[in-house]
Amino acid sequence: GENVEQHPSTLSVQEGDSAVIKCTYSDSASNYFPWYKQELGKGPQLIIDIRSNVGEKKDQRIAVTLNKTAKHFSLHITETQPEDSAVYFCAGQGAQKLVFGQGTRLTINP
Amino acid sequence: EAQVTQNPRYLITVTGKKLTVTCSQNMNHEYMSWYRQDPGLGLRQIYYSMNVEVTDKGDVPEGYKVSRKEKRNFPLILESPSPNQTSLYFCASRTGMVAEAFFGQGTRLTVV
Repeated sequence: GENVEQHPSTLSVQEGDSAVIKCTYSDSASNYFPWYKQELGKGPQLIIDIRSNVGEKKDQRIAVTLNKTAKHFSLHITETQPEDSAVYFCAGQGAQKLVFGQGTRLTINP
Repeated sequence: EAQVTQNPRYLITVTGKKLTVTCSQNMNHEYMSWYRQDPGLGLRQIYYSMNVEVTDKGDVPEGYKVSRKEKRNFPLILESPSPNQTSLYFCASRTGMVAEAFFGQGTRLTVV
């Protein structure tokens, strides 16, 4: 089945700098890769997703890239702001299940 | 408002005392899942359901049961809770496999 590895587990950046979180997946048949943001005391919420027929997708300050050959995908946040501080999860859609990475705690320092 | 509602939000119980965490969604979604979140382990799927009366094991099903008698409800049952089931639990629903998952607010369970 699908296995998703996520790095780093914690990331601290200065406000205004960029943040990059990376994930690898094992199942070459996986075709859907969402990213979720979890704020303190809340459930995860989708922030961006990408399907396997696309190499890159952008939404304002957030972008996701997908390398199917290498089986990895990354989240890029530019011009980080204090409200970007949260836990971020990547995920890969396997045969029946959505499998999540271990999570990255992102801290934006003022 | 479209939402997934879990109850209770917080629960402290003793070993062996049966409990149920309820989950309800108002979006007419086919798929529903239960996850547990533990530090360093991310979100691990416990059980999922693709439709009414169709359920299957996720990655960590031991010690849990579920049922899907109605489309909107997907309760999680712990017949005999143990301390290693102390965790943060999330219910989620979505329209299909390649679709956004909507999560509930979470249930923090402590088993002493």
